[in-house]
Amino acid sequence: DIQMTQSPSSLSASVGDRVTITCQASQGVSDYVNWYQQKPGKAPKLLIYDASNLHTGVPSRFSGSGSGTDFIFTISSLQPEDIGTYYCQQYDDMPPTFGPGTKVEIK
Amino acid sequence: EVQLVQSGAEVKKPGESLKISCQGSGYSFHSSWIGWVRQRPGEGLEWMGIIYPGDSDTRYNPSFQGQVTISADVSTKTAYLEWSSLKASDSAIYYCARSDGLVPEAAFEDWGHGSLLTVSS
Repeated sequence: DIQMTQSPSSLSASVGDRVTITCQASQGVSDYVNWYQQKPGKAPKLLIYDASNLHTGVPSRFSGSGSGTDFIFTISSLQPEDIGTYYCQQYDDMPPTFGPGTKVEIK
Repeated sequence: EVQLVQSGAEVKKPGESLKISCQGSGYSFHSSWIGWVRQRPGEGLEWMGIIYPGDSDTRYNPSFQGQVTISADVSTKTAYLEWSSLKASDSAIYYCARSDGLVPEAAFEDWGHGSLLTVSS
């Protein structure tokens, strides 16, 4: 299986800060990477698909980039409602695999 | 509006069987993939498998192959995840999720609220 790693594992930032999460695949996955947000006690929600495409209804402060093995997820201006855990996922190869998650908190 | 309504929390004993459900509405049930994701307490997400209800094409993560069975009933617009003999390690939240992708591995656009399973003697 393709392993996905994320860094940092957790972060604390102030409202309005720019937040960046990186995700690295153990082998090239083209741009077949999705990003999900999971708020505490809730189901995950799709934010970004195919590395850089914003899912319908997702605020434009969220963005993604990358291809191959290295991917970046950015929140341009952190809002209080953005607290939660963010997961990258590859789907270039079966089975799709998720990264371990990055927990985002407000400072 | 797409909705995936999952069955409620279950408490079972090791060795017991179980079938949990996920009823879809607000979209074409037979022509969207519907899959299952496991989340153990305090842990991350694991893709278990997926089914295309229209033709019952089913794909499993090898880690779950033989451990669970995924099925769907288009007449009731319901997908199922089934165990024949539960283990304590099956304790987790199970999410169903829908994909409109052309391939079964594509992104899950809509998610159920999750079904909590506790397996304990």
